[in-house]
Amino acid sequence: DIQMTQSPSSLSASVGDRVSITCRASQSISSYLNWYQQKGGKAPKLLIYAASSLQSGVPSRFSGSGSGTDFTLTISSLQPEDFATYYCQQSYITPLTFGGGTKVEIK
Amino acid sequence: EVQLVESGGGLVKPGGSLRLSCVVSGFTFINAWMSWVRQAPGKGLEWVGRIKSKVDGGTADYAAPVKGRFTISRDDSKNTLYLQMNSLKTEDTAVYYCTTEQSSGSFIWFDYWGQGTLVTVSS
Repeated sequence: DIQMTQSPSSLSASVGDRVSITCRASQSISSYLNWYQQKGGKAPKLLIYAASSLQSGVPSRFSGSGSGTDFTLTISSLQPEDFATYYCQQSYITPLTFGGGTKVEIK
Repeated sequence: EVQLVESGGGLVKPGGSLRLSCVVSGFTFINAWMSWVRQAPGKGLEWVGRIKSKVDGGTADYAAPVKGRFTISRDDSKNTLYLQMNSLKTEDTAVYYCTTEQSSGSFIWFDYWGQGTLVTVSS
């Protein structure tokens, strides 16, 4: 199985900060990497698919980059509604696997 | 508007069985690949398994922890996805989400999600 490792597991940031979250795959997954946001026990929401494609309706302050084994989700200017937990997920091969999550908290 | 509504969760004893349902509306279910994803209390997301559309073979794949105990099926006439869970263990306690798989070429992602249904396995 492909292991997905996110770092950090949590971070504290202020409104307006630039935030980056890293996701590393245990083997190359090309660009088969998606990012989700989850708030307060609600269902996850797709942000980025295929490593860098922004889902329709998602603010442009969210961006994704990377390929192979190393990927980054960047929030260019953190907004109050962005405080949440973020997950990466590989779709290269089954079993589809998620990273452990990164909780973004208010500083 | 796309809607996925799960039901069937509840409290069950270890070794017991439960069947979850997910009724879908607002898109063409018959062509959709569907997955179940679960989240244990306070933990991250875990893919449970998926079922392909019948036109793509209708086969199901499972994560190792549930293989042989869980079965995913679908009734396209009812726009409904099922998850039959047998031989339940305490570690199966989680919120279970159904989700649609969207694709572009070989790229796949989960786009629509249900609200989730809680399964608690406890004596």
